[in-house]
Amino acid sequence: EPEVTQTPSHQVTQMGQEVILRCVPISNHLYFYWYRQILGQKVEFLVSFYNNEISEKSEIFDDQFSVERPDGSNFTLKIRSTKLEDSAMYFCASITPSSYEQYFGPGTRLTVT
Amino acid sequence: RKEVEQDPGPFNVPEGATVAFNCTYSNSASQSFFWYRQDCRKEPKLLMSVYSSGNEDGRFTAQLNRASQYISLLIRDSKLSDSATYLCVVAHGSGNTGKLIFGQGTTLQVKP
Repeated sequence: EPEVTQTPSHQVTQMGQEVILRCVPISNHLYFYWYRQILGQKVEFLVSFYNNEISEKSEIFDDQFSVERPDGSNFTLKIRSTKLEDSAMYFCASITPSSYEQYFGPGTRLTVT
Repeated sequence: RKEVEQDPGPFNVPEGATVAFNCTYSNSASQSFFWYRQDCRKEPKLLMSVYSSGNEDGRFTAQLNRASQYISLLIRDSKLSDSATYLCVVAHGSGNTGKLIFGQGTTLQVKP
C-alpha cells in the first residue's frame, strides 16, 4: 500500500535555528498539507498546497514558516527561526481529488531546546 | 466556541462492551465528516467517513445529524485493540481537498 513518508523521525534543534522537515507524498496525489500536534493537544492545520502554491494557511503559519515542493516528489516545511513553542509533532498529509481520505505520514517530532 | 468539540474521556470499558462517542461542530458550512483513530505518538488514520444516512463498517457505526451539528460513533463488541484516541474531524472547503479540523479526541481504554 502506498504511504506518505517523512524525515527525520525526530529532530532536536536549538532555539533560533532553522529546520527543514521533509515529506514524500503518495506519488499520484496532488494536494499536500502540513499539520502539527503539540504534545497533549489536538491536531492543528498549518497549510495546504496545490499546483505549486499555498491554497490556504492558518494563523499559526506566520512568516517564520514556508513550504516548498523543490522537485516532483518532496514537500518540505521550513521553520526559519525556531521557538520553544514550535516543539510539536509535524504531520504531512496528501490526497488525490478522487478520494476522500487524507493520508498522513508518520510525523516528525521536533524538539526545540 | 471550539470548532469541533469532543468529550476527552477517558472511557474505560471491558472487552465486549458497546461504547458511544459524540462530537459537535460549530461551522454549519462544513462539508465532510470523519472519524480518525490515533494511537499513542502515531499519525491519525481514517476510521470511517460519516454520512447523514448513517453508515456501518463491521463493529463501527457512524451517524451525522446536520440539523444538530452532531456526529456520533458507536463501537460494538469492543476489542483490546480498539484502545486508542478517536478523533472527530470536519473538512472545510469544497470537494474532498479542504483542510481538516480536528477535535481534541476521545480516549478509549478497553480492558480484559
